[in-house]
Amino acid sequence: QKEVEQDPGPLSVPEGAIVSLNCTYSNSAFQYFMWYRQYSRKGPELLMYTYSSGNKEDGRFTAQVDKSSKYISLFIRDSQPSDSATYLCAMLTGNNRKLIWGLGTSLAVNP
Amino acid sequence: NAGVTQTPKFQVLKTGQSMTLQCAQDMNHNSMYWYRQDPGMGLRLIYYSASEGTTDKGEVPNGYNVSRLNKREFSLRLESAAPSQTSVYFCASTETGTGIQPQHFGDGTRLSIL
Repeated sequence: QKEVEQDPGPLSVPEGAIVSLNCTYSNSAFQYFMWYRQYSRKGPELLMYTYSSGNKEDGRFTAQVDKSSKYISLFIRDSQPSDSATYLCAMLTGNNRKLIWGLGTSLAVNP
Repeated sequence: NAGVTQTPKFQVLKTGQSMTLQCAQDMNHNSMYWYRQDPGMGLRLIYYSASEGTTDKGEVPNGYNVSRLNKREFSLRLESAAPSQTSVYFCASTETGTGIQPQHFGDGTRLSIL
């Protein structure tokens, strides 16, 4: 079993839909949880991050961590065609500087 | 501000040939990384350098060597390319310190080995 599991999709939604992207993990030592966005033929870029449990909101994006369930989510409200990309979750323990990555979920938002 | 620059962007090699992928960052970051990204496998760490003068193996180091030439530059070398090394290679850099330090990525090198 991989340390971080992420459904690769693809996920296709109409413009304006609410999108939910998820990852599960097995290592309870993870403390930092990140979402990266990767456009086609580009490198990943950090979208949002959270430390420990709870929610964090940034515009149309909300990151949520449930450490008791070992489950993290990224919600996108009022999705736009420009949100079409691959979304990768990544996690860190407090001591190890190497990110552990999910496979990424491919999202297409259709006009 | 260029960030992380990778060269070349594309390369086709024949089995057994060698080549070096170049990476340079202008953000004065201490740590640098080389990843490969393959369909169904995600991002996998090949080698990383926590600071100038140090390198360590990642998840998939076999068939690769690295050099941390100075603080800015971190190169990846394939000594004898194999078709299994066909992939997209990404270089990344980050500052060290407590808390979350985002990794900044280049746009990748697309490598095909025939």
